[in-house]
Amino acid sequence: AQSVTQLGSHVSVSEGALVLLRCNYSSSVPPYLFWYVQYPNQGLQLLLKYTSAATLVKGINGFEAEFKKSETSFHLTKPSAHMSDAAEYFCAVSLGGGKLIFGQGTELSVKP
Amino acid sequence: DTEVTQTPKHLVMGMTNKKSLKCEQHMGHRAMYWYKQKAKKPPELMFVYSYEKLSINESVPSRFSPECPNSSLLNLHLHALQPEDSALYLCASSQEGEETQYFGPGTRLLVL
Repeated sequence: AQSVTQLGSHVSVSEGALVLLRCNYSSSVPPYLFWYVQYPNQGLQLLLKYTSAATLVKGINGFEAEFKKSETSFHLTKPSAHMSDAAEYFCAVSLGGGKLIFGQGTELSVKP
Repeated sequence: DTEVTQTPKHLVMGMTNKKSLKCEQHMGHRAMYWYKQKAKKPPELMFVYSYEKLSINESVPSRFSPECPNSSLLNLHLHALQPEDSALYLCASSQEGEETQYFGPGTRLLVL
């Protein structure tokens, strides 16, 4: 069965510091992987997705993620945090047929 | 245009009321989804419609009744809800053969 684990329910960084949000997946087949961001009182916005075309995926707002099959990881990074990056981040894996499995989410706080 | 719209933004209803949530997309997507999201939790899949037919029902109580009148529109009819049904209800859509789901802003529901 496919599953997603996000390490750390809450991550706090200083403005300008590196952002690293961790996501590990378990899958018996090559997965489709996604990162979504949710700002307070809003829906989910797609940040980026991995669909086997390239292992390093660039997304919106300066975020990127690297697919590492050997580590079954898809960690999200941004070189320099901005106050506007404060939000909830969800990693998700697709089971196909419309079923997305979400991780528990990581709340990112950015300190001035 | 990757916009999914949802109305209303907020809804307060009593346990004996009947109300409906509406979702619309004009991206030509043939799959549409309803999710329920409680605070500080990931979205939980409720229903999937594919080509206007219900393809997945995740054992949702019958007080939630989905309807897909056409390929652009998805409704969720609510009747005799319980206070624990209070949540953010998210709609999403995806292209045929694509795993990427695009989410609307959600309807925040409060059941009194």
